[in-house]
Amino acid sequence: AQSVTQLGSHVSVSEGALVLLRCNYSSSVPPYLFWYVQYPNQGLQLLLKYTTGATLVKGINGFEAEFKKSETSFHLTKPSAHMSDAAEYFCAVSEGQAGTALIFGKGTTLSVSS
Amino acid sequence: DGGITQSPKYLFRKEGQNVTLSCEQNLNHDAMYWYRQDPGQGLRLIYYSQIVNDFQKGDIAEGYSVSREKKESFPLTVTSAQKNPTAFYLCASSSSVQEGGYTFGSGTRLTVV
Repeated sequence: AQSVTQLGSHVSVSEGALVLLRCNYSSSVPPYLFWYVQYPNQGLQLLLKYTTGATLVKGINGFEAEFKKSETSFHLTKPSAHMSDAAEYFCAVSEGQAGTALIFGKGTTLSVSS
Repeated sequence: DGGITQSPKYLFRKEGQNVTLSCEQNLNHDAMYWYRQDPGQGLRLIYYSQIVNDFQKGDIAEGYSVSREKKESFPLTVTSAQKNPTAFYLCASSSSVQEGGYTFGSGTRLTVV
């Protein structure tokens, strides 16, 4: 069965600092991996996704993530945090071509201070 | 503009009542999903549908029911059998289950009073 673990339910950074949100997954087949962002009382928005091909994936708002099969990880990074990045971030996994719905992690709340 | 609409935004339910949450999409997506969100729990899958007139249970289907009579619509009924229904409910759609890049609605917050 698939699962997702997000390390750290809350991450705090200063404006301009590196953002690193950690995600590890478990999957018995080649996974599809996703990062979503959620602002308060809203739905989720797709930041980026990995399906096949290049393991470094670039997304919206300057975020990127790297798929590392050997580490079963898909960590999200951004070189310089902005106040508007404060939100909740979710990592998700699916079994790709096996055709199952996304399984989400419990989320990481990112706070950005000035 | 294409999108996915959930209504109502806020819903209050009395003990023992069934309530239905609406989800409509005009994206021509085949697959639709319902998730429940609780603080610190992430999103948990309730039901999903890959095609009209077919749906599958997710991890927490007990106390919920769905229908998929039209491609555009995937309503969720929270029945009286759901003992702890207070939560934020999110509907999503995608072109296929394999595609994974979901479009989410803005959610319905259900509170038991």
